[in-house]
Amino acid sequence: GENVEQHPSTLSVQEGDSAVIKCTYSDSASNYFPWYKQELGKRPQLIIDIRSNVGEKKDQRIAVTLNKTAKHFSLHITETQPEDSAVYFCAAMNARSQGNLIFGKGTKLSVKP
Amino acid sequence: GAGVSQSPRYKVTKRGQDVALRCDPISGHVSLYWYRQALGQGPEFLTYFNYEAQQDKSGLPNDRFSAERPEGSISTLTIQRTEQRDSAMYRCASSLNQQGTGEQYFGPGTRLTVT
Repeated sequence: GENVEQHPSTLSVQEGDSAVIKCTYSDSASNYFPWYKQELGKRPQLIIDIRSNVGEKKDQRIAVTLNKTAKHFSLHITETQPEDSAVYFCAAMNARSQGNLIFGKGTKLSVKP
Repeated sequence: GAGVSQSPRYKVTKRGQDVALRCDPISGHVSLYWYRQALGQGPEFLTYFNYEAQQDKSGLPNDRFSAERPEGSISTLTIQRTEQRDSAMYRCASSLNQQGTGEQYFGPGTRLTVT
């Protein structure tokens, strides 16, 4: 079945710097890749997603890139702010069931003012 | 509009008791998913429904776990004869369509503690 690896597990940046989180997936048939932000004690919130027919998607300070050949996708956050501090999860759609998401283990991002 | 809601938000039960966790998806959402999230980990898939039909239950850990969505709206996840290892955050999510590429929106979760 699908397996999603996420790196790094922790990331600390200075306010204003960029942050990059990388994920790889194993099933080449996977076709949908969302990113979730989870603040302490809160539910995961969808922040951006990408489908397999595009290579990049941008929404203000966040962007996601997808390399289908290499089976990896990345989240880029520019001009980081303290409120970006949270745990970020990547996920891949289970292509076989076309339903559930397979999540990475998460990256704890700390943005220091 | 209202998001995904879950009840109860916290549940403490004794080992061996049965528990029922409820999920109320966003109105009109076709697909409903159950996940379990351990502290510091990503959500782990349990089962999901399109309308009232259970599409995939491969993530249910064993036969003590079951789920239903009889009218295609509210869903109940039932754990029988609870064990301490069942302690976790149980999260529900819903999505508008059943095509498998719709955005999934999560509920606040039910924190289950088995003593």
